[in-house]
Amino acid sequence: ILNVEQSPQSLHVQEGDSTNFTCSFPSSNFYALHWYRWETAKSPEALFVMTLNGDEKKKGRISATLNTKEGYSYLYIKGSQPEDSATYLCAFGSMNTGFQKLVFGTGTRLLVSP
Amino acid sequence: EAGVTQFPSHSVIEKGQTVTLRCDPISGHDNLYWYRRVMGKEIKFLLHFVKESKQDESGMPNNRFLAERTGGTYSTLKVQPAELEDSGVYFCASSQERGWTDTQYFGPGTRLTVL
Repeated sequence: ILNVEQSPQSLHVQEGDSTNFTCSFPSSNFYALHWYRWETAKSPEALFVMTLNGDEKKKGRISATLNTKEGYSYLYIKGSQPEDSATYLCAFGSMNTGFQKLVFGTGTRLLVSP
Repeated sequence: EAGVTQFPSHSVIEKGQTVTLRCDPISGHDNLYWYRRVMGKEIKFLLHFVKESKQDESGMPNNRFLAERTGGTYSTLKVQPAELEDSGVYFCASSQERGWTDTQYFGPGTRLTVL
C-alpha cells in the first residue's frame, strides 16, 4: 500500500506569517509529485508538478522543494494572506501506482487570520 | 478556455436509488479521470479514460459503479443502487498528455449524499 502523509493536519497563522508544510511519500520508483490548493466547493487548483530531485518551484509567494531520495516535499508560503486559507494537497505518482493514478495525502488545512 | 465542469454540484438521494454524475473535460483533453473523497479522508482514484477507452479502472469500488465516455468527450459515472458509504465528493479531472508529469485539472466536484 502506497501512503502519502501530510503534516501538519491543520495550521492557524496570522497574516504576514510565513509557513511551511510537509508531504512524505515512498521514495522507490518515484515519478512525480503534484501540489494542489483546494478551497471547499471549488476546483482543486494545480500549483506545481515536480519530478527532479532537488527541484524547487515558485509561484508568487508560494514555493516548493523536492527530495526524491528521502521521499519528502516542502511547500512554503511567504507572508501568508487571508486569501491563502485553503487545504493544500500533495499527490504522488510512481511506477507502482500505474500510469496517471495519483495517490493523494489528506491535506494540510491552512487558516490565515487577518 | 473553460475548465472542467461537473453536474450536478450536489445530489441527495435515498439508499437504493440511482444517480448519474456528469463530467465535461477541458476541450481537447484525451485523458479523463474520476476520483472520490469520502469525508475526512484523502482523494482516491477511481478510473482513467484515454479518449473513450478505460485505461485503468482499478479504483472502482464495486460493480455498482459504471463509468462511460462515449465518443471520447464527456463522461458519466452512474451509481446503481446507491449505498450509504457512497456518500462523498466525486471529482473529475482531465489532462492533455499521458504521463505522470502532466497537470491534471480538476472540476469542482459533485457532492453526493446518500440517505
